[in-house]
Amino acid sequence: DVVLTQTPVSLLISLGGQASISCRSSQSLVHSNGNTYLHWYLQKPGQSPQLLIYQVSNRFSGIPDRFSGSGSGTDFTLKISRVEPEDLGVYYCLQRTHNPPTFGSGTKLEIK
Amino acid sequence: QVQLKESGPGLVQPSQTLSLTCTVSGFSLTSNSVHWVRQPPGKGLEWVGAIWSGGSTDYNSALKSRLSISRDTSKSQVFLKMNSLQTEDTAIYFCTRSLYEWGQGVMVTVSS
Repeated sequence: DVVLTQTPVSLLISLGGQASISCRSSQSLVHSNGNTYLHWYLQKPGQSPQLLIYQVSNRFSGIPDRFSGSGSGTDFTLKISRVEPEDLGVYYCLQRTHNPPTFGSGTKLEIK
Repeated sequence: QVQLKESGPGLVQPSQTLSLTCTVSGFSLTSNSVHWVRQPPGKGLEWVGAIWSGGSTDYNSALKSRLSISRDTSKSQVFLKMNSLQTEDTAIYFCTRSLYEWGQGVMVTVSS
C-alpha cells in the first residue's frame, strides 16, 4: 500500500498567519491517465472530514482561496494563509491514485 | 444537495456481525461510488471499502475476509456488513460519496 507521510505532526499558528503542511508519498501519485489523485481534508473537532482540495490544487465547492494546494509526483503541500479560528482541526492528505486509497496520519493545527 | 447519513447499532458484542446503512440523497448510486471510512477513537482515518457505480466492490485487504458492501439503488442505500467483530473494530464509521462529501458518521462500540 502507498504510505503518505505528513509533516509536521502539529502546528501552532497565530491568527492571520500562514501554515504549511507537507505530504510525501512512498511512490508517485501520477495515475496512468495523467491525473494525480491527491486530496486534502480538514476534520474539525467533533465533525466528519470535509474536502478542501482535490487532485492536488483544485479547491472544492465553497472552500475559500486562503487554502491552496501544490506539488507533483511524490511531494505535496497544503498552504493556509490568513489563518482564522475556524481553521483549527486535523488536516489529512489522501491518495486514491493507487488501490487501496490511503490517508496520511494527520497534522493538528492549533491557533495561538 | 448531496447528503449521506449512516445508521446502525451503537453497541455490538464481540464476535457478532455489524450491519450499517448509508442513506443518500442528491445523487445517484448508479453514477457515483460510495466509500466507507472508519476512525478509531482519537486516531486517524482508515479506508474500509467501496462500491462503485457499476456495483462492483473493493475492500481493505486487512478486512476483506470479514467485510461485505452492497446497495439497494431503489432505496438509495448502501450497506456495510462486517462479521467476527473485535474490540479493535470500535470506531466511527463514515460513508462518503467518492471521498468528496461525507456523512456525519456513526459510532460503533464493540464490547460485551
